[in-house]
Amino acid sequence: AQSVTQLGSHVSVSEGALVLLRCNYSSSVPPYLFWYVQYPNQGLQLLLKYTTGATLVKGINGFEAEFKKSETSFHLTKPSAHMSDAAEYFCAVGTGGGNKLTFGTGTQLKVEL
Amino acid sequence: DTGVSQDPRHKITKRGQNVTFRCDPISEHNRLYWYRQTLGQGPEFLTYFQNEAQLEKSRLLSDRFSAERPKGSFSTLEIQRTEQGDSAMYLCASSLTSGGYNEQFFGPGTRLTVL
Repeated sequence: AQSVTQLGSHVSVSEGALVLLRCNYSSSVPPYLFWYVQYPNQGLQLLLKYTTGATLVKGINGFEAEFKKSETSFHLTKPSAHMSDAAEYFCAVGTGGGNKLTFGTGTQLKVEL
Repeated sequence: DTGVSQDPRHKITKRGQNVTFRCDPISEHNRLYWYRQTLGQGPEFLTYFQNEAQLEKSRLLSDRFSAERPKGSFSTLEIQRTEQGDSAMYLCASSLTSGGYNEQFFGPGTRLTVL
């Protein structure tokens, strides 16, 4: 069984500040890990993914995440927040073979001037 | 480039009515997934198809729900005798199996409101 925990349902940062969204997972098999972003009334867009190989993964829009097996974490970061980053972010874990994804409950990111 | 499309985008219905949603995946994608997202929650897996075969169904998919993918292309999700608890965003995703992880591409969703 797999599960995802996202700490903090709402995060607020100032424009230009560091963004840190936390994700911890539980998986009985080596996980595939993902971050998705969702803008209001839209579907999910993939930001980045970890499948195998390098544990620091770079994604779109300046986001990156690091897979830490010992901490069972996959936190999402961005050095400098932009107003356009305001959205809801979901961490997800998938099994090998690309079957169903298990999502966290999401973190709403607010960016303030 | 045509991504995953879903129709309708919004549906308002009265309790007890039947509704049907359609999903058109990315062309040549052989896998198609349905998820449900309620307010304040992440998407939850409902079911998925590989070509026309329905390979897995979640316990969330009660007997009132049925999904089909008759020709291995588009899919429909029908909810019979809708209940207020069915109000949610229904998301469709598709992927192409090619070894390793098969990235899922999501559509814009169908938002269902049951009055």
